[in-house]
Amino acid sequence: GQQVMQIPQYQHVQEGEDFTTYCNSSTTLSNIQWYKQRPGGHPVFLIQLVKSGEVKKQKRLTFQFGEAKKNSSLHITATQTTDVGTYFCAEDLIQGAQKLVFGQGTRLTINP
Amino acid sequence: NAGVTQTPKFQVLKTGQSMTLQCAQDMNHEYMSWYRQDPGMGLRLIHYSVGAGITDQGEVPNGYNVSRSTTEDFPLRLLSAAPSQTSVYFCASSYGQSAEAFFGQGTRLTVV
Repeated sequence: GQQVMQIPQYQHVQEGEDFTTYCNSSTTLSNIQWYKQRPGGHPVFLIQLVKSGEVKKQKRLTFQFGEAKKNSSLHITATQTTDVGTYFCAEDLIQGAQKLVFGQGTRLTINP
Repeated sequence: NAGVTQTPKFQVLKTGQSMTLQCAQDMNHEYMSWYRQDPGMGLRLIHYSVGAGITDQGEVPNGYNVSRSTTEDFPLRLLSAAPSQTSVYFCASSYGQSAEAFFGQGTRLTVV
């Protein structure tokens, strides 16, 4: 079945450093969604990318969708302690129906 | 407006017992789904529903049943609990093509 591979599995940074997580697929993705899950919490939707080469920004977060629609990245500039959590990418196999295939997630920890 | 409500938050079952995890949403969302989250494996789709009376299997449906008699409710039934079903279960809902999935707070289930 479809697989979305996410790397790295863990990332520890000093507060103020940048952070990037990557999602890769062997097949073309119809879309990619990004979620954040705080420790002990539930996933919270961040964004969806649909178009080839799409780039979207949310304050310090930059999301990219590759030209071939086989990879995506989330970059956080100047991390803050509030960024701690696990970041997941996911493909919605039936657009809007929430038939989501998740990557394994990248757990971000930050040294203040 | 409570969003997506899951009950119970915690549950311990003995092997072979059955139980129902409840999920309710008050946002009139068409789409609802159930995921399980295990360490290092991200979230995996169990069952999903695109509307009242319509359900379909996800990636890991064995051992679970669902029904969708109303738009608001999407209960998940464990027929005969097994230790392999120890996990955190999340229910999610969304509306049409909006993409954003709203997750409940989760149910932490332990099967002994």
